[in-house]
Amino acid sequence: GQQVMQIPQYQHVQEGEDFTTYCNSSTTLSNIQWYKQRPGGHPVFLIQLVKSGEVKKQKRLTFQFGEAKKNSSLHITATQTTDVGTYFCAADLHGSGNTGKLIFGQGTTLQVKP
Amino acid sequence: NAGVTQTPKFQVLKTGQSMTLQCAQDMNHEYMSWYRQDPGMGLRLIHYSVGAGITDQGEVPNGYNVSRSTTEDFPLRLLSAAPSQTSVYFCASSYSTAGAPGTGELFFGEGSRLTVL
Repeated sequence: GQQVMQIPQYQHVQEGEDFTTYCNSSTTLSNIQWYKQRPGGHPVFLIQLVKSGEVKKQKRLTFQFGEAKKNSSLHITATQTTDVGTYFCAADLHGSGNTGKLIFGQGTTLQVKP
Repeated sequence: NAGVTQTPKFQVLKTGQSMTLQCAQDMNHEYMSWYRQDPGMGLRLIHYSVGAGITDQGEVPNGYNVSRSTTEDFPLRLLSAAPSQTSVYFCASSYSTAGAPGTGELFFGEGSRLTVL
């Protein structure tokens, strides 16, 4: 079964509202990555978090990695129509190094009403 | 610099037919992988490779074969297509960084949409 759980599956917001998606694992993660996939497109890398408790920002996007390195979140402030798409978290579950085996969460699809 | 190139972009097969999805990358990446994407299931790992001559199974390997004879190419073979293999397939590559805490960022191809009737 899916070893990286992501919620919610869908989120509809009014433009200007905030949005958050959460990613959880039962195992400690080496790192966590976030990707965005526009409708009809392919996933594009956004960011990687490595350290316990790490917080990174990209303009209106804030990424957090939990203290126990078992969960992560992506928060978008004041959504815009350009934020529409599906957001995925991904993690290397096995071992503490570079295994090449990246497992994805189910994704959260964001719809923004103008 | 083309990045990751997948062919074909679209394919329709009949049940029982075989075919190969091609994937090539020109970034000299060591790691390559194949994912399938189905509604509500996210991206599921089929097979992956950490270098030429080395492949391993992912989450959903049944019905698929791979080989990695060169660094650049990582073809995915469907031996006997089934309707359950109707999906969008993505190939991805990643670089290896010694001592890195986990696999590096993935660079994806544009996808191959497969329909099995």
